[in-house]
Amino acid sequence: SQTIHQWPATLVQPVGSPLSLECTVEGTSNPNLYWYRQAAGRGLQLLFYSVGIGQISSEVPQNLSASRPQDRQFILSSKKLLLSDSGFYLCAQKTDTYGYTFGSGTRLTVV
Amino acid sequence: AQSVTQLGSHVSVSEGALVLLRCNYSSSVPPYLFWYVQYPNQGLQLLLKYTTGATLVKGINGFEAEFKKSETSFHLTKPSAHMSDAAEYFCAVTRGFQKLVFGTGTRLLVSP
Repeated sequence: SQTIHQWPATLVQPVGSPLSLECTVEGTSNPNLYWYRQAAGRGLQLLFYSVGIGQISSEVPQNLSASRPQDRQFILSSKKLLLSDSGFYLCAQKTDTYGYTFGSGTRLTVV
Repeated sequence: AQSVTQLGSHVSVSEGALVLLRCNYSSSVPPYLFWYVQYPNQGLQLLLKYTTGATLVKGINGFEAEFKKSETSFHLTKPSAHMSDAAEYFCAVTRGFQKLVFGTGTRLLVSP
């Protein structure tokens, strides 16, 4: 089966601090991976997606970046967090032509 | 480009009443359509999906949705709401290897 691990589950960080959220997947090789953000009162916004190692596509200009150092690892980063970076971050994997599996998410609060 | 519109950010029903969550899509090609449910501070769980074939799709927890091409709609229904159905529901659209695009979500509130 295909499983997504995300950590940490919750994170409180001060403005201006760095960020690193990690997502790892099991059960498949060369998956398409995605980072979504859900801000309070808003829907799910696609931030980045990756079709392979070192291949990152950005959907919106922002204070965040993503990297894929290994086939099953997808990392979301920031050098200096902003208050507006607060939200619920979800990692997702495309499992087949029609299916997507989501991780359990990371609740980030920037204070 | 593909998009979905979910009408109503909040829907309130009484326990036992019909649940109807609306979703309209925009797509230049035949779409694949999904409904996901999200419980507080959790990831998304797939309720049901339409790809091809039968336009009435049955999902988990008694939910179903009907793909209506003429109306560009994919509304989610459940005949009788249960307290445990209270959650946020997202409609999404994609086509093949394109990205999954979500609506803004509808929060379902169920009162006793």
